[in-house]
Amino acid sequence: AQTVTQSQPEMSVQEAETVTLSCTYDTSESNYYLFWYKQPPSRQMILVIRQEAYKQQNATENRFSVNFQKAAKSFSLKISDSQLGDTAMYFCAFMKHVVWGGSEKLVFGKGTKLTVNP
Amino acid sequence: NAGVTQTPKFRVLKTGQSMTLLCAQDMNHEYMYWYRQDPGMGLRLIHYSVGEGTTAKGEVPDGYNVSRLKKQNFLLGLESAAPSQTSVYFCASSPHQRHQPQHFGDGTRLSIL
Repeated sequence: AQTVTQSQPEMSVQEAETVTLSCTYDTSESNYYLFWYKQPPSRQMILVIRQEAYKQQNATENRFSVNFQKAAKSFSLKISDSQLGDTAMYFCAFMKHVVWGGSEKLVFGKGTKLTVNP
Repeated sequence: NAGVTQTPKFRVLKTGQSMTLLCAQDMNHEYMYWYRQDPGMGLRLIHYSVGEGTTAKGEVPDGYNVSRLKKQNFLLGLESAAPSQTSVYFCASSPHQRHQPQHFGDGTRLSIL
């Protein structure tokens, strides 16, 4: 079974600075997908970024980028130019590659609470 | 755009009562999921469905039942609520295109007294 570990329960950063959230995972699969979701105080789960394991290039989405190290099974999220609206819980999630008809289940880490201070 | 809608948003039950949580999506997604979120535990999969009329167990299925009679709806039932089922419940859906991100509803906060 796959597991996802987020070793930082809480982090804080000053507005406009850069912060990196860590995520490691354990799997015997060679092909899979990784996600970062953001959950602000409103409780809504919002997709931040998606990475396909067979792609070596790190995914980016505006101020959000990842450092995907497949051999180390590491998938960290970097937030540049942090904004007050980035304050949220951040969840790392794993999805294994399945054949047609199988379930595309997400396995989540326990989350990192990020606070952006003014 | 409605996306994924969960009903109700809050509910308080007494131990032993039953209730059904409704999830509706208007994106014509094939796959639907029910998760629960507990403090310090992240989200855990309860049940899921890969299409109308099909359901399957996830990581923590005990005490819950589900039904997917219509493609757009996925119901989560608690037959006899227990305090251990106090949680925030999230429904999600995703398209049949492979390995796409799941779209989540806003959650239902359920308290069992």
